[in-house]
Amino acid sequence: QKEVEQDPGPLSVPEGAIVSLNCTYSNSAFQYFMWYRQYSRKGPELLMYTYSSGNKEDGRFTAQVDKSSKYISLFIRDSQPSDSATYLCAMSSDNYGQNFVFGPGTRLSVLP
Amino acid sequence: NAGVTQTPKFQVLKTGQSMTLQCAQDMNHNSMYWYRQDPGMGLRLIYYSASEGTTDKGEVPNGYNVSRLNKREFSLRLESAAPSQTSVYFCASIRQITDTQYFGPGTRLTVL
Repeated sequence: QKEVEQDPGPLSVPEGAIVSLNCTYSNSAFQYFMWYRQYSRKGPELLMYTYSSGNKEDGRFTAQVDKSSKYISLFIRDSQPSDSATYLCAMSSDNYGQNFVFGPGTRLSVLP
Repeated sequence: NAGVTQTPKFQVLKTGQSMTLQCAQDMNHNSMYWYRQDPGMGLRLIYYSASEGTTDKGEVPNGYNVSRLNKREFSLRLESAAPSQTSVYFCASIRQITDTQYFGPGTRLTVL
């Protein structure tokens, strides 16, 4: 079993839809949970991070962490074609990334 | 302020050849990473360096060596390239997890 699992997609949605992206993990030591967005042929860029369990909102993006279920989610409201990218979850057990693991990524297409 | 720079951007090698991928950051970050990204596999950690003079193996270190020359530079060496090392290689640096994470533009390596 991989440490972090993520549905690779591709996921296609119409513009304006609510998108739900998810990851599951097996290592209970993970404390920091991140979501990255990666456009084609570019390096990943950090979207959001959450420490421990709970929700965090930033504009159209909401990150949720459920440590009891080892499950994290990213919701995108009012999705736009510019949101089309690969979304990778990532996790770490400390604040300096010495044990820093990425999920395989979900490719999202938002159709106009 | 250039962020994270990587050279070269593209490289084609023959099996058995050696090469070094260069990475430098000008943000005074302590932690630096080398990842490889393959279709459907996400980002996999090859090596990381928590500080100058220290390096640690990640998930897929076999066939690679690294050198943290100073705080700015972190190089990745392939001593005897194999076709299985065909991938896109990303260097990254962070101050800490909750800060903006910076990735280089990537090196596309093909081993024939």
